[in-house]
Amino acid sequence: EAQVTQNPRYLITVTGKKLTVTCSQNMNHEYMSWYRQDPGLGLRQIYYSMNVEVTDKGDVPEGYKVSRKEKRNFPLILESPSPNQTSLYFCASSRTGLPHEQYFGPGTRLTVT
Amino acid sequence: AQKVTQAQTEISVVEKEDVTLDCVYETRDTTYYLFWYKQPPSGELVFLIRRNSFDEQNEISGRYSWNFQKSTSSFNFTITASQVVDSAVYFCALSEVTTDSWGKLQFGAGTQVVVTP
Repeated sequence: EAQVTQNPRYLITVTGKKLTVTCSQNMNHEYMSWYRQDPGLGLRQIYYSMNVEVTDKGDVPEGYKVSRKEKRNFPLILESPSPNQTSLYFCASSRTGLPHEQYFGPGTRLTVT
Repeated sequence: AQKVTQAQTEISVVEKEDVTLDCVYETRDTTYYLFWYKQPPSGELVFLIRRNSFDEQNEISGRYSWNFQKSTSSFNFTITASQVVDSAVYFCALSEVTTDSWGKLQFGAGTQVVVTP
């Protein structure tokens, strides 16, 4: 089954404790992206990657890191989480070339206390 | 700057009523893509439609239809004869095709649709 998986689905952590949210897709997509969803703001793009070893900032990259060492994986790293990073996070993937529809993971609910 | 505006925060309708969701976008590009996604209460994001800036034909898919008007920079979405299963948050999104914007996707704030029996 074609899918994007994220782990963990729920995470409660404390300020400053480094964490990684994993994202993996099995569709051989070149493009992957991370978004955060906050009430009243919709989804905002954090980082995206057009292919392996190619990443770029979205609209809200501060406080986040990403890496793309393999085509299928695109982890999101919070080196020192803060309460304002409490949010719902989505990973997505799509074919590259012209903008195509994105396939989204199930979401990760992160709470930073 | 917000490039996609969904002015309606929430729309409540009774089943079988039609509902139209507005989406106004802002871009200087001549080539761009517009999308609609649905987020039901279960939380996943479901792709509904993609439209490029050169295709102004309206589209119908079952009870869903989309009206794209470049002159007013709008890409509105209508659900005909709404059903309870249509209750969800609907997002409009814009992807510009320029060197600086390639790969970026900007969403509107979303419109919550509540359909009551």
